Amino acid sequence: RKEVEQDPGPFNVPEGATVAFNCTYSNSASQSFFWYRQDCRKEPKLLMSVYSSGNEDGRFTAQLNRASQYISLLIRDSKLSDSATYLCVARLTGGGNKLTFGTGTQLKVEL
Amino acid sequence: ETGVTQSPTHLIKTRGQQVTLRCSSQSGHNTVSWYQQALGQGPQFIFQYYREEENGRGNFPPRFSGLQFPNYSSELNVNALELDDSALYLCASSLPFDGSEQFFGPGTRLTVL
Repeated sequence: RKEVEQDPGPFNVPEGATVAFNCTYSNSASQSFFWYRQDCRKEPKLLMSVYSSGNEDGRFTAQLNRASQYISLLIRDSKLSDSATYLCVARLTGGGNKLTFGTGTQLKVEL
Repeated sequence: ETGVTQSPTHLIKTRGQQVTLRCSSQSGHNTVSWYQQALGQGPQFIFQYYREEENGRGNFPPRFSGLQFPNYSSELNVNALELDDSALYLCASSLPFDGSEQFFGPGTRLTVL
């Protein structure tokens, strides 16, 4: 079983739609969680950190449920420029800052 | 731009050959991590270097090795290349603290024929 699991998609949504991605992690010792965005053939870039209390950055909302070992990302009012692969990432505290990535979920926003 | 640079951008090798990939970290960052990203997969942690010493290693065989230099730049060496080594190799630099963000370079795309 992979340490971080995501639905690979693709998710094809119309512009303006709300879309949600989910992710589960298996290592209960994981302490920090993130969503990264990766454009085609480019490097991953940090989108946002994820906290149990939930956090929002503009149209993006991330949520962590430690009891269920579940992470989510909600994108409201999707833009064409949101088309990318979204990577769910876990990090163990004291793990040498090693990041464990999911396979990524591909999003395509269409006109 | 993150300030992390990698060279070369693309590389084609044949099975059995050896390859060296290079990474220059962002100014002030003394920790470099290397990741392998196969097509359709997320990045997989190879190893990390801090102050010229290996500081953690993922599930990769010994033919994957690395170095870090006093200026914090780093090399990833892969011996006896296999077809499955074809991937995007990413390096990321960070400060040595548990919570510090990792900044990724643009990657080196390696194709093994």
